Amino acid sequence: KNEVEQSPQNLTAQEEEFITINCSYSVGISALHWLQQHPGGGIVSLFMLSSGKKKHGRLIATINIQEKHSSLHITASHPRDSAVYICAVNSGAGSYQLTFGKGTKLSVIP
Amino acid sequence: GAVVSQHPSWVICKSGTSVKIECRSLDFQATTMFWYRQFPKQSLMLMATSNEGSKATYEQGVEKDKFLINHASLTLSTLTVTSAHPEDSSFYICSARGDWTYEQYFGPGTRLTVT
Repeated sequence: KNEVEQSPQNLTAQEEEFITINCSYSVGISALHWLQQHPGGGIVSLFMLSSGKKKHGRLIATINIQEKHSSLHITASHPRDSAVYICAVNSGAGSYQLTFGKGTKLSVIP
Repeated sequence: GAVVSQHPSWVICKSGTSVKIECRSLDFQATTMFWYRQFPKQSLMLMATSNEGSKATYEQGVEKDKFLINHASLTLSTLTVTSAHPEDSSFYICSARGDWTYEQYFGPGTRLTVT
């Protein structure tokens, strides 16, 4: 079974700070997902990646398959980025179920 | 982008009654739908996986007679919590995926409170 570890668990940052959230997993994957959950509960899929790097606005996600590690970066953070960020993986080809990390709670202070 | 809706967004019911939660994919055909449960400050826990037209596959420890899942069409899955008890109070989230992707599209969730 894949073990997905995220760090840090909690993160407080000042507005405009550059933020990095890390995710590591134990077994080879077919895809890795970064999800965002706001206090209201709804979950938004930010990125799905299996190699390299993806960028969307101020968000950047990278993955290193050899090291079984991914990072989510937020540039010029803003209070509206405050949310729980969850890393999840599909383990193996044809495996559509997700294994979730415990999430990182980010608070961005004005 | 792909959109998944859930209804209702919140529900309060009395102990012993049954509650049905609907999950719909609005603009794509969902080959597979997933049902999750989330307790406060915890991550999502997969309850069951359902493919259209076939019986749901439940995770270990999830009572299939209590949490009835029906995936009757490619755009609709329902979760019925039967004979609800206060310990069933939780946040229930569905997600759906199409044939072409590993990506899951999440519904906004349903908060169930059993009194």
